[in-house]
Amino acid sequence: AQKITQTQPGMFVQEKEAVTLDCTYDTSDPSYGLFWYKQPSSGEMIFLIYQGSYDQQNATEGRYSLNFQKARKSANLVISASQLGDSAMYFCAMREKRYNTDKLIFGTGTRLQVFP
Amino acid sequence: DSGVTQTPKHLITATGQRVTLRCSPRSGDLSVYWYQQSLDQGLQFLIQYYNGEERAKGNILERFSAQQFPDLHSELNLSSLELGDSALYFCASSVVGGGQSTGELFFGEGSRLTVL
Repeated sequence: AQKITQTQPGMFVQEKEAVTLDCTYDTSDPSYGLFWYKQPSSGEMIFLIYQGSYDQQNATEGRYSLNFQKARKSANLVISASQLGDSAMYFCAMREKRYNTDKLIFGTGTRLQVFP
Repeated sequence: DSGVTQTPKHLITATGQRVTLRCSPRSGDLSVYWYQQSLDQGLQFLIQYYNGEERAKGNILERFSAQQFPDLHSELNLSSLELGDSALYFCASSVVGGGQSTGELFFGEGSRLTVL
């Protein structure tokens, strides 16, 4: 079965510094997709970035980049130049595609706190 | 704005009661997913519908049921409510089966259920 693991329950970072949130995954599928979502205290789920297993380059979206290491089965999120508004829960997710379903499975999340 | 609409945003009810949560997917999305997020936990997949048909079931209790209607909106029914059912319930939609689809889910803002 596919699995997503986020081992950091909480992280602290100072404003303007970079931070890496860890995510490892387990799958036997040759083709898969990895996602990161942000959940601020207001509760909504905000899509940040996507990485396909066959993508040659690491995905980037503004201050977000995904450090994809396929052999290690890791897909860490890097946030550069942290801002106070980055304080939130961050969830790593993986696409699980089967003959009759196509859904995302989520890790347990990492709570990031950015301090001045 | 993800384009996914969930109502109600907040709901407070008593144990033993029944509630219905409603979701309207993004225009054009055929697939609807329901997830449950208990306090400070990750998102647990409950159920998926595609064009009116149930596609996959996750950890959904027998007291819970869902359906997707011909206009593609979906309802999640929770009955015989218990204190432990208090959670944030998310609906998400996606374009499933599209050739260029990454499988990204678009989330509603969630329905926060409190059972007293």
